[in-house]
Amino acid sequence: DAKTTQPPSMDCAEGRAANLPCNHSTISGNEYVYWYRQIHSQGPQYIIHGLKNNETNEMASLIITEDRKSSTLILPHATLRDTAVYYCIVRVSNFGNEKLTFGTGTRLTIIP
Amino acid sequence: DARVTQTPRDKVTEMGQEVTMRCQPILGHNTVFWYRQTMMQGLELLAYFRNRAPLDDSGMPKDRFSAEMPDATLATLKIQPSEPRDSAVYFCASVVATEAFFGQGTRLTVV
Repeated sequence: DAKTTQPPSMDCAEGRAANLPCNHSTISGNEYVYWYRQIHSQGPQYIIHGLKNNETNEMASLIITEDRKSSTLILPHATLRDTAVYYCIVRVSNFGNEKLTFGTGTRLTIIP
Repeated sequence: DARVTQTPRDKVTEMGQEVTMRCQPILGHNTVFWYRQTMMQGLELLAYFRNRAPLDDSGMPKDRFSAEMPDATLATLKIQPSEPRDSAVYFCASVVATEAFFGQGTRLTVV
């Protein structure tokens, strides 16, 4: 799996958009970008994933640069419940024989 | 609301005792991951199964840890004998398509 780099921590004001960056400069052409988050003492939760096009779902948006070497997870209107550790992972989208390896993530704190 | 169920939620045991953690994956999911989480090491992948067959358990200390899937509704992680350094939260995840669903974890404390 390609290595990812994320800032260790970020703050965001409640109600504002939270933009979480991730660098994955060694990503291969067939590797997807996945985002998970872990709220304190809970199991990780899937957020979104994408290959090269931008993606949006009910939780977040994922913006992937054209060269695919970096991406940004956007939480459009952050709430206090979005305080969590966010993990960016790159992997081939084939869970059958593919590990899901977590890095250290970004600890996002939403400020009231 | 389908979810992954892990039991027990909390376990305190004495060093040297056997510990068994259980995971009930979501019905129909054929891939199960086991992770261990500590403050120092973060989330570490211990083992994973597909269609009940072990695919990779290279992250697991073989001398004391064992993982099995006796049937499609149950995955187990066993530690024998347990040691204080095994104290951690153990998560299992059940996978369908491209999404992994995690249980709430078993918090293990070995004293």
